[in-house]
Formats: sequence, C-alpha cells, structure tokens
Amino acid sequence: GAVVSQHPSRVICKSGTSVKIECRSLDFQATTMFWYRQFPKKSLMLMATSNEGSKATYEQGVEKDKFLINHASLTLSTLTVTSAHPEDSSFYICSARIVGGLSETQYFGPGTRLLVL
Amino acid sequence: GQNIDQPTEMTATEGAIVQINCTYQTSGFNGLFWYQQHAGEAPTFLSYNVLDGLEEKGRFSSFLSRSKGYSYLLLKELQMKDSASYLCAFMDSNYQLIWGAGTKLIIKP
Repeated sequence: GAVVSQHPSRVICKSGTSVKIECRSLDFQATTMFWYRQFPKKSLMLMATSNEGSKATYEQGVEKDKFLINHASLTLSTLTVTSAHPEDSSFYICSARIVGGLSETQYFGPGTRLLVL
Repeated sequence: GQNIDQPTEMTATEGAIVQINCTYQTSGFNGLFWYQQHAGEAPTFLSYNVLDGLEEKGRFSSFLSRSKGYSYLLLKELQMKDSASYLCAFMDSNYQLIWGAGTKLIIKP
C-alpha cells in the first residue's frame, strides 16, 4: 500500500516551546492530508483537513493559531504546535488521501508522540 | 445526525473466528472502512466497502449492508498478533471519516 511517513516519531519539549511535525507521502501525491490526535484509549479525533496550496480547514474546537498547518507541496504537510503546554501531550497522526476510480482511501503515517513537560 | 457504534471489547481464542460488528447512521455515505490499530501505533488500513456484500482478503473479510447501516469485520484463524483495536469509520458526504470508538480484540491461547 501507499507509504506515509511522519517525523519526528517522538518529541519531548518544554512548556512554551513550539514543535513542528512533518507528514510526507512517499510514493504518491496527496492533495489532501488530515491531522488527527488521539488520547490514550480514545478514538481518533480529526483536527484539521490540509489542502495543498490553500488554508487548512479546522474542526470545531481546534485552535487555528495554536495548531498551524502548512501544506506547501503535494507530498508534505506540517503541523506546528505553538507554545505547547502539557495538555497538548498526545499522539498526533497524519493521513493522506488517495482517490482512485470509485474508491477513496486514507493511509496513515506512523504517528508522533508528543510529551510536553 | 451521524453516529457510529461498535462494541468496546471482544475476546476470542487463537485459531477461532470472530466477527466485529459496526452500525452507523448518516444521510450521506461514501463507503465504510476498517482499520487495525496496535497499542501505541497508528492505524493501518484493512478494508473499504462501498457496495453491499462481502469482500474477502485472506484471513480478513468485511461485509456491508447500506440499507441496514451495518458492517462487520470477520477475522478467521485468529493469531495472537491479531490482538489489537479494530476501528470502523464511514465516509460522509463531505468525504470526511467519521470514526467509531474502536473494538479492542483480546486473543487468548
């Protein structure tokens, strides 16, 4: 299947710092990528939809100024958690959308575990 | 409105068969997905159904009935490595995935 990478896989940072997470589609072009976060033992929560060349669409309750998304190319989307706080500690997962014929699938990156101290 | 429901936890025996059910309600539907997620890892794609019927892929099969808003994932010849959470999700009219909470499958020897 399609490959999506994420970097870094784990990050520990101090409260107040910013953290950038990269999501890359390695063998295909993705006009749309999605950013999710997942708390322990909880389902995936969609944060925003990232569209190449345009502004991201954020879900209700997600702060645009705190979670900056940039989809600068067809293979790269970045999520920057600005001024991170301990409550931002979570598992952040990106996915890339592939549309082919009648089907549409999302392939997930391996996730980034963020711990804010 | 939209909602999706699946059992919280199931237990099965190695070598056996287990069926994980998923029911949903939505006005717009563009397919149903099943993903497997091992603890601490991102989900991996298992199956996609957009038409009614059964899709078989090796030990895993997925079924969809659009009129009933119902899907199931069937796992045969269970192995210990199949212990994971299984997430169902439907794609709505805006092509957004609406996720179930996941079913934790415990495999016992």
